[in-house]
This record gives sequence, C-alpha cells and structure tokens, in this order.
Amino acid sequence: DIQMTQSPSSLSGSVGDRVTITCRASQSISSYLNWYQQKPGKAPKLLIYAASSLQSGVPSRFSGSGSGTDFTLTISSLQPEDFATYFCQQSYSTLTFGGGTKVEIK
Amino acid sequence: EVQLVESGGGLVHPGGSLRLSCAASGFTFSSYWMTWVRQAQGKGLEWVANIKQDGSEKYYVDSMKGRFTISRDNAKNSLYLQMNSLRAEDTAIYYCARVFYYDTTSSGLYFDYWGQGALVTVSS
Repeated sequence: DIQMTQSPSSLSGSVGDRVTITCRASQSISSYLNWYQQKPGKAPKLLIYAASSLQSGVPSRFSGSGSGTDFTLTISSLQPEDFATYFCQQSYSTLTFGGGTKVEIK
Repeated sequence: EVQLVESGGGLVHPGGSLRLSCAASGFTFSSYWMTWVRQAQGKGLEWVANIKQDGSEKYYVDSMKGRFTISRDNAKNSLYLQMNSLRAEDTAIYYCARVFYYDTTSSGLYFDYWGQGALVTVSS
C-alpha cells in the first residue's frame, strides 16, 4: 500500500498566519490527492480534491498544490474556525490517509 | 439536504459480531458508490471498504478482508457493515460516506458527505 506521510504532525499558529502542511506519498500518485479538515467530535470535511481543486463552498484561503509524491495544503490567512486537524488521502490505489496535522492556536 | 446517519454501534466482546447501518437521504442513493472509514480514538483515518451502486463490486482493506462485509439495500437507502471476529484493535468510530467520482478513472474519487459516526468498542 502507498504510505502517506504528513508534516508537521502539529503546528501552532495565530489568526492571520500563513500555514503550510505537507503530504508525501511513498510512490507517485499523480494528482490523486484529497485534503480533509476535521474538528473535534465531528466527521471530516472535504476541502481540496485532485490536489488543487477547491471543493464547492470551501473558502478561497485554502489552496492545494503538488503532483507525483509531494503535495501541500496552504491556508493563506488562518481564521479562528480553521483550528482543526487536517488529513491528506490518496486515491491512486488502495485508499490511504496521512497521519494528520493538528493546527492549534498559538 | 444530504444526510447519512449511522446506527448499530456499541460494546461487544472480543470475538463477537456487530452490524452497523447507515441510513441515507437527500440524494439518489442507488447512484453512488458508498464507503466505510474508521477512526480509533485520537488516531488517524483508516479506509475500510467500498461498494458499487448495485452491490456488484466490493473492495476492502486487506486487514479486514474475511472479517468485515459491506452491503447495501437500495430499496431501503441503507448501507451496512457486518463485522465479525472483532478484536480490541477494531475499537473505533465508524463513518459511512458517499463516494464521488470526479473523473472517468477508478482513481479520481473523494468522499463528499459523511455521517456523524458510530462508536464501536471491543472489550471484555
């Protein structure tokens, strides 16, 4: 199975900060990479699909980039409602998720 | 409004069985692949299984093959997960979700709607 490695596992940020989360695949997955946001006690929510396509209704401060093995999720200006855990998921082959990145308030 | 509501979770002894259900509404259930994803307390997400619209194709993560069975009843707009030979490490919240294919390949998919989850605890 393809392993997905996210970094960092956690980070602290302030409102207004630019935040970047990285996801690395153990082999090339083309652009078959999705990003989800999960808040405590809630189900995950899709943010980005196909590495860089913004899901309908998701604020434009979220963006994704990358292809092959290296991908990033960027929040251009961190908002209070963005403090959550973020997961990447590859759909190139047997579905796997990254370990998650918890974004906390500094 | 799309809604997915899981039920059937609970406490079960090791070696026991449990059947989860997921009631779907707000969309044409029979037109979508569906999936189960689980999450152990404080841990990451783990894909469990997918099922095609008519139930003719099913895929499982290797570690659960032979123990878990995904099924659906399109007449009842319901998805199921039969879990047998349960182990302590199966303790998790189990989510059902809708699968959306955004391109014509079998790889271009994402999970666009999720239920609130059902907690399964395997303990003696």
